Amino acid sequence: DQQVKQNSPSLSVQEGRISILNCDYTNSMFDYFLWYKKYPAEGPTFLISISSIKDKNEDGRFTVFLNKSAKHLSLHIVPSQPGDSAVYFCAASYLTGANNLFFGTGTRLTVIP
Amino acid sequence: DVKVTQSSRYLVKRTGEKVFLECVQDMDHENMFWYRQDPGLGLRLIYFSYDVKMKEKGDIPEGYSVSREKKERFSLILESASTNQTSMYLCASSFSGGNSPLHFGNGTRLTVT
Repeated sequence: DQQVKQNSPSLSVQEGRISILNCDYTNSMFDYFLWYKKYPAEGPTFLISISSIKDKNEDGRFTVFLNKSAKHLSLHIVPSQPGDSAVYFCAASYLTGANNLFFGTGTRLTVIP
Repeated sequence: DVKVTQSSRYLVKRTGEKVFLECVQDMDHENMFWYRQDPGLGLRLIYFSYDVKMKEKGDIPEGYSVSREKKERFSLILESASTNQTSMYLCASSFSGGNSPLHFGNGTRLTVT
């Protein structure tokens, strides 16, 4: 059973606008969340993370928001650039433990020039 | 920069063959992982290892085994390849501790005919 879900398989956004990618999880024991970006023919690369003690983490154009009560997180990209076009995976894990990640199914973002 | 190297980018094998997928990391990471990526299913964990000669089953270990004889090398073995094991295989490594991001290799696209 999928513990981390990304319900939108794809998203298209105009260059310069905001991209919002969403992720839901079912396991309330998760306490660390990450976003990975994946280009074709490459492995996923780490983008940004957030622990459950925070509700927001920012890194340049990328911001992740966490709503623990709703078991929901989102990734905001502002402004979106054509180079951001990729598949984005949400992942969750436990801070204590073997660092195993549970991944969502991914959202393909296309930024239109 | 962390480098995770997977020995083959593309592999074509016949049903029933024994298949070895090799992965090497150069950052002295304790943890190593094997995932497979399938459309609509995201990344699913096959096996992981948190130390030399140690291994733990992930979500989908059936039909696979692993070997970790040296810290930098983690091998995935398909004992008798089947067509439903056609997939993209991704190796990853990380330091121990729940807030250490995984670093991925570029993947091996395995086709079993």
